[in-house]
Amino acid sequence: AQSVTQLDSQVPVFEEAPVELRCNYSSSVSVYLFWYVQYPNQGLQLLLKYLSGSTLVKGINGFEAEFNKSQTSFHLRKPSVHISDTAEYFCAVTNSGAGSYQLTFGKGTKLSVIP
Amino acid sequence: DTGVSQDPRHKITKRGQNVTFRCDPISEHNRLYWYRQTLGQGPEFLTYFQNEAQLEKSRLLSDRFSAERPKGSFSTLEIQRTEQGDSAMYLCARDNPGELFFGEGSRLTVL
Repeated sequence: AQSVTQLDSQVPVFEEAPVELRCNYSSSVSVYLFWYVQYPNQGLQLLLKYLSGSTLVKGINGFEAEFNKSQTSFHLRKPSVHISDTAEYFCAVTNSGAGSYQLTFGKGTKLSVIP
Repeated sequence: DTGVSQDPRHKITKRGQNVTFRCDPISEHNRLYWYRQTLGQGPEFLTYFQNEAQLEKSRLLSDRFSAERPKGSFSTLEIQRTEQGDSAMYLCARDNPGELFFGEGSRLTVL
């Protein structure tokens, strides 16, 4: 079984400032990792994913994340945020050998971008 | 567009009533998933299908919940004798190698 901890429930940040949203996971097996974004009253949109290969992954809207196996972390970063980045962000993990995408999600981090 | 349509988008019902949600993936994908998201929480896995076979069910899926995928295309999730604790967003997803595509969800409010 896997679990995900998103260390910050809310992150306020000024427009054009950098941001980091933290995610730690727990798993006894190899994993795939994901970050999703959710705007109010909408479904989830995939920002980026780590399946294998380079530990630094780049996603949509200028976001990137780094997989750190030793620290079991997958923190999400953006060098300069925009008002439109205001949303809730979810980190998720799944067993890489499972053959399906039964994701375990964290509780989410609400990013508020302040003008 | 994620290629997953859900209907209805919103449902308000009284406690004790039955409700049914439908999920239509854009094409007949192998695997289809149902998740539940309550207020302030991340989505939680409920069940998934490979074609018409329901391969896994979470312990969250009590006996009041039933899901089907009769022809391996669309899927339905029925909740019988709804309770206030069933109020949530019910999300359907299809998978593409390496990721899940989610629909917009069906929001259930039980009064």
